[in-house]
Amino acid sequence: DAGVTQSPTHLIKTRGQHVTLRCSPISGHKSVSWYQQVLGQGPQFIFQYYEKEERGRGNFPDRFSARQFPNYSSELNVNALLLGDSALYLCASSLDYYNEQFFGPGTRLTVL
Amino acid sequence: KNEVEQSPQNLTAQEGEFITINCSYSVGISALHWLQQHPGGGIVSLFMLSSGKKKHGRLIATINIQEKHSSLHITASHPRDSAVYICAAVNTGNQFYFGTGTSLTVIP
Repeated sequence: DAGVTQSPTHLIKTRGQHVTLRCSPISGHKSVSWYQQVLGQGPQFIFQYYEKEERGRGNFPDRFSARQFPNYSSELNVNALLLGDSALYLCASSLDYYNEQFFGPGTRLTVL
Repeated sequence: KNEVEQSPQNLTAQEGEFITINCSYSVGISALHWLQQHPGGGIVSLFMLSSGKKKHGRLIATINIQEKHSSLHITASHPRDSAVYICAAVNTGNQFYFGTGTSLTVIP
């Protein structure tokens, strides 16, 4: 079975632009979580979705939004990009929101 | 103050040594995760536990709910264990709090 997949792998944007990151969970997993990891730091929790509903939200500004589709894939959107948004964005899926999480390879976003 | 504190930040060990990484948290939790991150970013979930002890191969994770403390032990360490180990606490509101990680280097 395929693991969690994320696209794109790498992305370069400029300040003020908008970005959409995508995540496909492991087949059968209904929960997707998003994390931001700035270089040299631990991950920070952004969102968790389960059955297309938001179940958890970290301390991120409203520029960050996400959604989960009927096939359980998910998108993370970031508006009005700032230099500080440069990070590795990780997606993880789990059977439901109380189960072990399986991480994707991440999308490395660079904001210039 | 971070909700999750890990120690040590950096650890160098000789191959074969017994290793302990500690994690203390200040939030009420529903679960605690131990994760392994290799250079390049890939993260692997090692354990998810809410009580007691779990063992997988040479890895052992324990948690003491009353003391709000968890430990990850590696027996007979090997150079391939070199990675960053991250503790993550999940509170009862389903919010995740991550430690900053312990960078482990095992020297042959």
